Amino acid sequence: NAGVTQTPKFQVLKTGQSMTLQCAQDMNHNSMYWYRQDPGMGLRLIYYSASEGTTDKGEVPNGYNVSRLNKREFSLRLESAAPSQTSVYFCASRYGTSGNNEQFFGPGTRLTVL
Amino acid sequence: AQTVTQSQPEMSVQEAETVTLSCTYDTSESNYYLFWYKQPPSRQMILVIRQEAYKQQNATENRFSVNFQKAAKSFSLKISDSQLGDTAMYFCAFGLIQGAQKLVFGQGTRLTINP
Repeated sequence: NAGVTQTPKFQVLKTGQSMTLQCAQDMNHNSMYWYRQDPGMGLRLIYYSASEGTTDKGEVPNGYNVSRLNKREFSLRLESAAPSQTSVYFCASRYGTSGNNEQFFGPGTRLTVL
Repeated sequence: AQTVTQSQPEMSVQEAETVTLSCTYDTSESNYYLFWYKQPPSRQMILVIRQEAYKQQNATENRFSVNFQKAAKSFSLKISDSQLGDTAMYFCAFGLIQGAQKLVFGQGTRLTINP
């Protein structure tokens, strides 16, 4: 199993450009998450999907949109990138819809917005 | 809302020593989980250990153990016989039992194990 995969690994954008970060998991997990990690801070939740067909806002959703395309895939879109969105983005997935099942993380995407 | 605080931005110890990383949290909830995640230079997030708030017994995983003080809202991680491979960022995280487990992370502690 590949686990949680993310593409791309690195990306540089200009202010105002748009892009979609892709995430896929092959573990038959129900819940999927998008976090961002800024220097000196822990991960912060952007959006999550508790199950296929549902999405909800996390702590820092402004400037982002998400799509739960199917059970395997959960994408994050930046419609008009801003320098404040320079960060490392992590996707994660979890089997259960509640409880303490471990979240498995992807390798991250380092995004720089100039 | 829940908050998680890690007051030690950096720590450094010699190989084979024991080190304790601190974490405090704030919540009005009673049913939750606490986690320690490790992030090595590869950037991969790896679960080290987890603790259910309703369990009084502290969790242990080989060389890793926690000291969970629910009343004090404290959750420290002890690494025994530290190894060079333990060098990493360590994040404390909080998640409610009910719902989608939206994790709240602390700021992290950068741990360096010196040979």
